[in-house]
Amino acid sequence: DTGVSQDPRHKITKRGQNVTFRCDPISEHNRLYWYRQTLGQGPEFLTYFQNEAQLEKSRLLSDRFSAERPKGSFSTLEIQRTEQGDSAMYLCASSLSPKTGLYAEAFFGQGTRLTVV
Amino acid sequence: AQKITQTQPGMFVQEKEAVTLDCTYDTSDPSYGLFWYKQPSSGEMIFLIYQGSYDQQNATEGRYSLNFQKARKSANLVISASQLGDSAMYFCAMRELNYGGSQGNLIFGKGTKLSVKP
Repeated sequence: DTGVSQDPRHKITKRGQNVTFRCDPISEHNRLYWYRQTLGQGPEFLTYFQNEAQLEKSRLLSDRFSAERPKGSFSTLEIQRTEQGDSAMYLCASSLSPKTGLYAEAFFGQGTRLTVV
Repeated sequence: AQKITQTQPGMFVQEKEAVTLDCTYDTSDPSYGLFWYKQPSSGEMIFLIYQGSYDQQNATEGRYSLNFQKARKSANLVISASQLGDSAMYFCAMRELNYGGSQGNLIFGKGTKLSVKP
């Protein structure tokens, strides 16, 4: 296993179109996170899954955004009716559940850069 | 209020010298973890070091060490013997336990761009 992979790496779409991104986590990791990163900012949390259950969603995740992890393995993030403000890097991360305390190293993919024109 | 503050948008350091990247945090949760990540131009976030709120000693990982001052709520990253490959964005992040026990997301600062000069 070579780490977290995301597809596509880059996506250019016209405003109003729908887009879908895929994330394949490290195979034994039960947790999967989605983050959004705009230029000059740190990543902002969108949502996370433990196995196939979506346990937490940020207020940033408007009703145009939906994420799934149907079999507890890969995940998809779909953005409907894209807007120019959706242009960002979308990062996926995976981790094991921490056995003790708060330590659970999250491994990130290289991200999908979305440009809405 | 910002939970993670990184006050240095950019830093320069001479190769082989040490550099400190600042991070202050704000939380009322007694249980939290602090993380540092490196993001090179390729975009991938690379985990560097972790410090738990109850850890008595400062964390170290190779050339990286975390100067944890709990009373001041600071968690500065020290990189010793800087290398050209250290040039990247560096993000401080925090995870709080008080998410109903779910131990959810990482909260990131805005980052510091480190440039290592030859």
